[in-house]
Amino acid sequence: KQEVTQIPAALSVPEGENLVLNCSFTDSAIYNLQWFRQDPGKGLTSLLLIQSSQREQTSGRLNASLDKSSGRSTLYIAASQPGDSATYLCAVYDSWGKFQFGAGTQVVVTP
Amino acid sequence: NAGVTQTPKFQVLKTGQSMTLQCAQDMNHEYMSWYRQDPGMGLRLIHYSVGAGITDQGEVPNGYNVSRSTTEDFPLRLLSAAPSQTSVYFCASSSPYSGNTIYFGEGSWLTVV
Repeated sequence: KQEVTQIPAALSVPEGENLVLNCSFTDSAIYNLQWFRQDPGKGLTSLLLIQSSQREQTSGRLNASLDKSSGRSTLYIAASQPGDSATYLCAVYDSWGKFQFGAGTQVVVTP
Repeated sequence: NAGVTQTPKFQVLKTGQSMTLQCAQDMNHEYMSWYRQDPGMGLRLIHYSVGAGITDQGEVPNGYNVSRSTTEDFPLRLLSAAPSQTSVYFCASSSPYSGNTIYFGEGSWLTVV
């Protein structure tokens, strides 16, 4: 059974620092991995999707890497801003055709 | 450009009542699914469907029922609500023809008293 873990559960950084969020998964037989942002009381917004054949994806200040062999993905957010405060979740689409989510990392960026 | 639409957004139920959460998508996606989100537990899959007429159980199916009579709609039925079903519910859709990107509805906040 695929298990997805996100550590740490919470993170607080001062504005301007780079954010590094980790996601690990136990079964490397995945089709893709997706990163989401969730604001309090809101739904999930897709940030980046990395196909299993890709090593990384970039969008603006966001960069996500994928290492299938070690079962890890990292989301980097450069030059963090208070508006980046949210919960970030990763999800893997596995060989059973299902998405498996991590519990998320709650990020607070202080001015 | 509606995407995935869920209704209602908020609902309060009494224990033992039944209700249906509606979900519709206009992207012609084959896959649809229902998740519940509880504090510290991430999203857990309740039921999913890979096409009209085909449904299967996810990780936490007990107390919920689904059907998929059309590609667009995937309602979730709570048969006899219990306080343990107080949660936020998300409907999602995806398609292998769009890279399996998963699209979520806005969520339905359900409280069972």
